[in-house]
Amino acid sequence: EADIYQTPRYLVIGTGKKITLECSQTMGHDKMYWYQQDPGMELHLIHYSYGVNSTEKGDLSSESTVSRIRTEHFPLTLESARPSHTSQYLCASSESVGVANTGELFFGEGSRLTVL
Amino acid sequence: KNQVEQSPQSLIILEGKNCTLQCNYTVSPFSNLRWYKQDTGRGPVSLTIMTFSENTKSNGRYTATLDADTKQSSLHITASQLSDSASYICVVSDRGSTLGRLYFGRGTQLTVWP
Repeated sequence: EADIYQTPRYLVIGTGKKITLECSQTMGHDKMYWYQQDPGMELHLIHYSYGVNSTEKGDLSSESTVSRIRTEHFPLTLESARPSHTSQYLCASSESVGVANTGELFFGEGSRLTVL
Repeated sequence: KNQVEQSPQSLIILEGKNCTLQCNYTVSPFSNLRWYKQDTGRGPVSLTIMTFSENTKSNGRYTATLDADTKQSSLHITASQLSDSASYICVVSDRGSTLGRLYFGRGTQLTVWP
């Protein structure tokens, strides 16, 4: 059982509202990630972090922002939600395991966001 | 272009039967290949991770194979159970950067009927 938690699991919100999706892990992992997943589609990396005060944008352009003030916490924020932000957001973490990058990737249960 | 293609897109089998899911990739340079199981509305859970030197790996009723020469992998499920109904995602990692970029397939949606 992975020790990575996301809240809320489900969120329905109106256009223009600010939202923060929380992600916490208790495994002491340096690397953390946010993925976006739509039904029947592959996961797309939107943000990642290699450690405290380190954040980078992923491959999929996103209007969201992230922060990494503590190792265990990696929240994602949308300043002004729009219907196009409706999606499933998955947080993950992994430990650094050499250049082969064989570190196990642990996922949270996801946050299902619906913007009306 | 680095890609991961999975087939079939969906599959229905009867409980107790075996099945095999396919994954073809073009990712280079190759680092490792992972199979994940994702239940509806949940996060993916790792089944296996294989590096270049491994050509088969088992996890209970799940057996993954890897042919790094043809860039193909398969996931074989033996004696299927209702709880096997899920999406199975193939993920390939490159080693061309410190990030160890992950390339995700779209998954095979498996449904097991009683």
